[in-house]
Amino acid sequence: GNSVTQMEGPVTLSEEAFLTINCTYTATGYPSLFWYVQYPGEGLQLLLKATKADDKGSNKGFEATYRKETTSFHLEKGSVQVSDSAVYFCALSDLNNDMRFGAGTRLTVKP
Amino acid sequence: KAGVTQTPRYLIKTRGQQVTLSCSPISGHRSVSWYQQTPGQGLQFLFEYFSETQRNKGNFPGRFSGRQFSNSRSEMNVSTLELGDSALYLCASSLADEGNTIYFGEGSWLTVV
Repeated sequence: GNSVTQMEGPVTLSEEAFLTINCTYTATGYPSLFWYVQYPGEGLQLLLKATKADDKGSNKGFEATYRKETTSFHLEKGSVQVSDSAVYFCALSDLNNDMRFGAGTRLTVKP
Repeated sequence: KAGVTQTPRYLIKTRGQQVTLSCSPISGHRSVSWYQQTPGQGLQFLFEYFSETQRNKGNFPGRFSGRQFSNSRSEMNVSTLELGDSALYLCASSLADEGNTIYFGEGSWLTVV
């Protein structure tokens, strides 16, 4: 079945550091890929998405590129801020709208 | 456009009781799914409803049930509550179209004592 594996946290960075959170997936066909973010005490918010190979999703300085050859969708940001501290979830959805989430990666950014 | 609305936001129940949680999807969204989030188990899929029919179901016991109404609003019910049911219950809605972006509500925090 479909599955998502993302790097375990927690990840702690200093402000303005470069961020990478790795995400790989297993799926048949061509799923859509997503990153969601959850701030403390809130639900999940869509951060970005990509629906086909080589697409790049981007939002709020975050980027992720759909790499079919490596089945990956790594999240990157060039310069993190304290306000980026949250839990990040990688997810995929197949043609049957079966949504699968990774375990989440907690990011803490220190001033 | 209003987002996904969940009620109540916080509740405390006693073991053995039952609870009903409500979810109003984004206007026009016909698919509603429910997730349980706990520190130990992460985000786990409960079930998904589309046009009043349960379309997918996760691996939860029969104490967890749900339904969807003709206006796409959904409820989930947990009977005979156990301490381990304490969690954040998240509802999400989508158009169920290609790409299937789902949008989450802020969740209902359930504490079982």
